[in-house]
Order: sequence, then structure tokens, then C-alpha cells
Amino acid sequence: ETGVTQSPTHLIKTRGQQVTLRCSSQSGHNTVSWYQQALGQGPQFIFQYYREEENGRGNFPPRFSGLQFPNYSSELNVNALELDDSALYLCASSYGPGGQTQYFGPGTRLLVL
Amino acid sequence: TQLLEQSPQFLSIQEGENLTVYCNSSSVFSSLQWYRQEPGEGPVLLVTVVTGGEVKKLKRLTFQFGDARKDSSLHITAAQPGDTGLYLCADLSGNTGKLIFGQGTTLQVKP
Repeated sequence: ETGVTQSPTHLIKTRGQQVTLRCSSQSGHNTVSWYQQALGQGPQFIFQYYREEENGRGNFPPRFSGLQFPNYSSELNVNALELDDSALYLCASSYGPGGQTQYFGPGTRLLVL
Repeated sequence: TQLLEQSPQFLSIQEGENLTVYCNSSSVFSSLQWYRQEPGEGPVLLVTVVTGGEVKKLKRLTFQFGDARKDSSLHITAAQPGDTGLYLCADLSGNTGKLIFGQGTTLQVKP
């Protein structure tokens, strides 16, 4: 059974650029949630995708957008990067949007200069 | 908006000591979860508690849920260096699967 994988592991961008982060869900999981974790903080919910549609969104601006593909993998896109977007971006997969157990990937560390 | 507050923020102890970390919520938990996150990794679920007053044990870890379902504690007995990590409490919304996390307690166990 393959766990949740994310790519890339690290990324450096400059302010104003755009970035795409990728997540492959665990085998059999049809729901992907994205979280942002700033240094020294707990993760914050960005949004969740279920059956290729957004199913809930946290307090993040529209420049944070996502996609889910038929194979349940997902992308997180961030436009017009700001310095405060520097963080660890985690994705988590589960079976169903209300799944009790979410399995997290190792994250993508994004640094915005 | 629900706020989860964890204390202490940082804890450094010697191997073999006992410790307790706390999680308090501004509102009643739907479903409380505890996670451990090691450097360079994502959080890993340790336990889910739902019923007020519930106590769960996982080897040397004891999780207690307050009667009013607004607070919880995690007690570790005879801590080991392998327990080092960031301990996060979270509330799981049953409808959306959205997790609301506390800021975490960083535990360092020195050999």
C-alpha cells in the first residue's frame, strides 16, 4: 500500500510568482485536504477536494486554488506569491470527506523570497 | 471560530521523566484527535476520542478527554528520545473532515 506522496519536497520562489504543488493520495482514498503550516504553528486548513470538486474551504484568499484528478491526486496552486506564503504545505488523504483518519504526506517546504 | 490552545509550547526533559501536555478548546470538540509530527514529516494520528470523560491508552501514552468535551491531556510515562516531536491536538469536523489544529507542544527528550 502506497502512502501519501508530495512533490516537490522543497521549493524556492520569489514574490509575485506562481507555484503548483502536487499530492498523490493513498491507495483507495478519494478525498484530499490541503493544509498550510507556518513555522512553529499547527497546520491550517486550506480546502478539501472530493470527487474532483472543492468540498469546504478555510480562510484563504482566492489566489489559493486547487484541482483533483480522476485518479484522486490533487494540485494546490498559489498565485501572486507573498512572503507570508512561506510555509510547509501538507496534503492529507482519507476515504470520504468525513473520514475519521486522515493520512498526511511529508509536505512541501515553500520559501518565498 | 474555534480556537485550540496547547500548553506548554515547549518542553525539554530527560529520558525517563513523566510529562503532561494540555489542549483547551474555546468550544466543544466534535471529535478530538492527537497527532505527533516529527521533523520533515507530516502529522501522524495517535488517537481519536469522542466521549466526554474518555481515557485511552497507547503504550506509555495516556489520553484523557474532559467531561465537558472542551479540554484534553496527553500524559507520557517514562519518556524516551523517540518520543521527541511536535504534539498537536485537533478537532475533526464530522461533516467536512476539516481539522482545526492547536499550535502544538514541541517535546524534546534528551538521552
